[in-house]
Amino acid sequence: EVQVVQSGAEVKKPGEALKISCKASGYSFTNYWIGWVRQMPGKGLEWMGIIFPGDSETRYSPSFQGQVTMSADKSISTAYLHWSSLKASDTAMYYCVSLYASGNWGQGTLVTVSS
Amino acid sequence: QSALTQPASVSGSPGQSITISCTGTSSDVGSYNLVSWYQQHPGKAPKLMVYEGSKRPSGVSNRFSGSKSGNTASLTISGLQADDEADYYCCSYAGSLYVFGTGTKVTVL
Repeated sequence: EVQVVQSGAEVKKPGEALKISCKASGYSFTNYWIGWVRQMPGKGLEWMGIIFPGDSETRYSPSFQGQVTMSADKSISTAYLHWSSLKASDTAMYYCVSLYASGNWGQGTLVTVSS
Repeated sequence: QSALTQPASVSGSPGQSITISCTGTSSDVGSYNLVSWYQQHPGKAPKLMVYEGSKRPSGVSNRFSGSKSGNTASLTISGLQADDEADYYCCSYAGSLYVFGTGTKVTVL
């Protein structure tokens, strides 16, 4: 059974760093792209980018280039989304999506940035 | 990449059929048969309803069907039910990345 499990909710202050995780299982992690999707409060879905865990090739949507960093650790089948300096506008739900088969979504990680 | 264009809202009575459009360009919807549709209820993660244009995942009702013509994809919900009231998003492959639609709120009258 394919499972995509994300790390828990985070509450951070502006300027702090954060890395959230996404652990996939039930398929060959290195052979399928993993994507990240943002959903700001009351708003629609936005593709942030995708990463290929086999060689860590990354593709960022223009709006997110330079704002976040995607990475992956093949040894533990886990993908990450990292911010070096959070802003209040980063407050959102973040979903990890494995592009294996027809797609498998994580449960989402709520990130709240507030002073 | 610009978001795909969907109507902000669509409504229908129980039992009726409704269609949600998703308009893109020749660089996304028009070039690939890789449009998917998601249903999202408040506070829940999106649920895949249609993928690769017209395929349904196991467990999804055959009341949901997808199609495409040129740069526009469509999701039709037949036999509308109360539980179909939700937000719906289309998504297309766009050559190296993916792009979502603007989202449509479906209301069951």
